[in-house]
Amino acid sequence: NAGVMQNPRHLVRRRGQEARLRCSPMKGHSHVYWYRQLPEEGLKFMVYLQKENIIDESGMPKERFSAEFPKEGPSILRIQQVVRGDSAAYFCASSTRDSNEQYFGPGTRLTVT
Amino acid sequence: DQQVKQNSPSLSVQEGRISILNCDYTNSMFDYFLWYKKYPAEGPTFLISISSIKDKNEDGRFTVFLNKSAKHLSLHIVPSQPGDSAVYFCAARNFGNEKLTFGTGTRLTIIP
Repeated sequence: NAGVMQNPRHLVRRRGQEARLRCSPMKGHSHVYWYRQLPEEGLKFMVYLQKENIIDESGMPKERFSAEFPKEGPSILRIQQVVRGDSAAYFCASSTRDSNEQYFGPGTRLTVT
Repeated sequence: DQQVKQNSPSLSVQEGRISILNCDYTNSMFDYFLWYKKYPAEGPTFLISISSIKDKNEDGRFTVFLNKSAKHLSLHIVPSQPGDSAVYFCAARNFGNEKLTFGTGTRLTIIP
């Protein structure tokens, strides 16, 4: 029973490039969440998606960040024109419709040089 | 505004003893609380949770206590084992809202 999958595990981008982070939820899970962890801080909610719908994006920065969860394929978190402050660990979590618990992937560590 | 607070950044406990990790919250609308354990370079692993209608939930060596009037919860691990050394995050959820609000974590070290 595979858990939440994220790739790549590590991503290095230069300032101004685009970063694409992918997340495949656990089998049977239809809800996906993205969180960001800056160094020495806790995880901060970014966005909550269901298939083809963004349910809550209250934690997403207003510019350069977008997320999708298409009918087929993984959820994508896209960061355009990355800046050094985007360097962080980005975690994806998934859950079923009726579950209170979210299960996390291993994260993608983004480094902007 | 830090709605979930873990005021102890680190804690060291002797193997076999009880580890007690604490968490305070300010938002009275939180109705569900969770504890996650995190190893370096890995994602958080769900440990145990509790609904606001309960004051205790137990699962093996892990017990979570909730004191709603004090807006305080704690995680007890007994007996503590070396593999318990990790960062522990407390998280909370608003009624009707799926997003989790996390504390800043407590690094637990179990001394053999």
